[in-house]
Order: sequence, then C-alpha cells, then structure tokens
Amino acid sequence: DAGVIQSPRHEVTEMGQEVTLRCKPISGHNSLFWYRQTMMRGLELLIYFNNNVPIDDSGMPEDRFSAKMPNASFSTLKIQPSEPRDSAVYFCASGGTVRGNQPQHFGDGTRLSIL
Amino acid sequence: TQLLEQSPQFLSIQEGENLTVYCNSSSVFSSLQWYRQEPGEGPVLLVTVVTGGEVKKLKRLTFQFGDARKDSSLHITAAQPGDTGLYLCAGALTDSWGKLQFGAGTQVVVTP
Repeated sequence: DAGVIQSPRHEVTEMGQEVTLRCKPISGHNSLFWYRQTMMRGLELLIYFNNNVPIDDSGMPEDRFSAKMPNASFSTLKIQPSEPRDSAVYFCASGGTVRGNQPQHFGDGTRLSIL
Repeated sequence: TQLLEQSPQFLSIQEGENLTVYCNSSSVFSSLQWYRQEPGEGPVLLVTVVTGGEVKKLKRLTFQFGDARKDSSLHITAAQPGDTGLYLCAGALTDSWGKLQFGAGTQVVVTP
C-alpha cells in the first residue's frame, strides 16, 4: 500500500521566494496533519484538517504560512515570502479518524533550505 | 515549553545493553504513542497505550503507561544496532480531535 507521499523531498531556494509543499495522504484517511521539525524545537504541529476542513491552525507561525486541502487526496503548505528561519524538515501525516488513539502515518518529509 | 518531557535527550550504549527512555508530563493523556524515526524518514508508530498501568511488549521493547496516565517509559532489552534512532513519545489530550503533543525525542545510538 502506498503511504503518505510528499513532494519535493528537498527544496533549496532564496529568501523571499514562494515555496509550496505537497502531500498526498493515505487513501481513506480523513485527517491530515502538517508538522515542522528542527533540532531546536523538535516536531511542531502547524495545522490539521478533518474531512478537508481545517480544525486547528494555531501552530502556524505567521501569516506567511498557509495550508489548503482542496480534496481528500491532496494538501499543500505554502510559505510566501520565505525566510531563512523557515529552514526545517516539513512532514505531512494522515490518520484514519480524528481520535486520540489512532496512529498517524508520516511521509518522509520535505527538507527545506532557505538561503 | 514541551508538554511532554523526554529523558535522556541522548543515549549511547553498546550492543547487548539495556536502556530505558522516559516521557513525563503534568497533564493527563487519553492515550500515548511511541514512534521511532530514522534519518531521512518520518516517524513510524511503535505502539499506542490507552489504559493507566498498561504494559505492552513488542519483541525486545516494553512500553508502560503510568497509572495516572501522565507518564510513560520505553525499555529496550539487549539493544541491537538496528534499534538506533530517534524515539518520540506523543500524547493525546482528551477531546483533542486527534491532535498529538510530541516530546522532543531521545536519540539512541547502539554501537556494535
């Protein structure tokens, strides 16, 4: 079975540029989560969706960050304009139900470097 | 400030030794999950514990959920190099809509 698919795997761009990260969740999963991981702050939840609707975006650091889920099989996380401090590994995860004891299945992440 | 505090932050041991990783909080969780993450990959679920006092075993790994559902531990017996990785605990607060609070992680290195 295909797991969570993220693209691109690596992105290097100059500050000020727009960055778009993409995620395809596991088919049939109805919750989707975007995380950011850094050495300093660990794994941070940015936003999550249930049935394509954003439930909690309190982790989104600034208005420069936005996320969409236009349908059950696709989500994007956009940073515009990007800054060097946005450099991190960004993970997408999906889950079967929005219940606390259900596992989250993670993609392999996008390693983002802003120069 | 992390809601879940993991200790130690880093652990380096020889193959065959035992190790324990701790995950502590002042909050009560409806469930707690343990993940392992290897370089260049996303975290992978190892186990979910739900009941206070629950103990689950996964081969050489033993997971325990505290009686008050505020803490958990992971014990590895006779560690092997394949156990090397970042171990993350993640707790779900009641009515959290599936939102998990992750600890900062414990980096475990097992050398042959």
